[in-house]
Amino acid sequence: EDQVTQSPEALRLQEGESSSLNCSYTVSGLRGLFWYRQDPGKGPEFLFTLYSAGEEKEKERLKATLTKKESFLHITAPKPEDSATYLCAVQANTGNQFYFGTGTSLTVIP
Amino acid sequence: KAGVTQTPRYLIKTRGQQVTLSCSPISGHRSVSWYQQTPGQGLQFLFEYFSETQRNKGNFPGRFSGRQFSNSRSEMNVSTLELGDSALYLCASSYQGANYGYTFGSGTRLTVV
Repeated sequence: EDQVTQSPEALRLQEGESSSLNCSYTVSGLRGLFWYRQDPGKGPEFLFTLYSAGEEKEKERLKATLTKKESFLHITAPKPEDSATYLCAVQANTGNQFYFGTGTSLTVIP
Repeated sequence: KAGVTQTPRYLIKTRGQQVTLSCSPISGHRSVSWYQQTPGQGLQFLFEYFSETQRNKGNFPGRFSGRQFSNSRSEMNVSTLELGDSALYLCASSYQGANYGYTFGSGTRLTVV
């Protein structure tokens, strides 16, 4: 069964303290792995798509990496405005359906 | 350019009633997907429409249905509401399909009492 597990569920960081969020997945043929950011009261905002193991994408303080079993979202020197819930989703080769993890709630303390 | 618009933002309904939610995708986007988000389950896929045709459907009961119009606007209907249907319902649009990255709306918060 296709599924996505994110860890940790919640993470508190001091401003400037770098860390990583994990997304492990099992899928019968990966079409793509997606990272989204969700702020309270809003819909998820698209961040990255990764398609194959070894691929990396960067945007400001965020860097996403992909292996055959998991993806990491590295946050370098985070700022309070990076506080949000980060969601990971995978899409299998069979069909267009996405499978989302339950997210990591990140709080960056000034 | 305008984003994905969902209406209404908030809705309170009574058990047994039915509800219709609306989604206007980004201009030019032909793919519209619907998700249910709850604290315990996260985002659960409901269905995807592309050019007025349902392309994919998640594991939800038949009380949940949707449609897409020729202008790509989409509606989702839930009949015989249950308390467990209380959730944030999110609509997402994409130009060609979900693998190009969705743009989500802000959602409709449905509360069933």
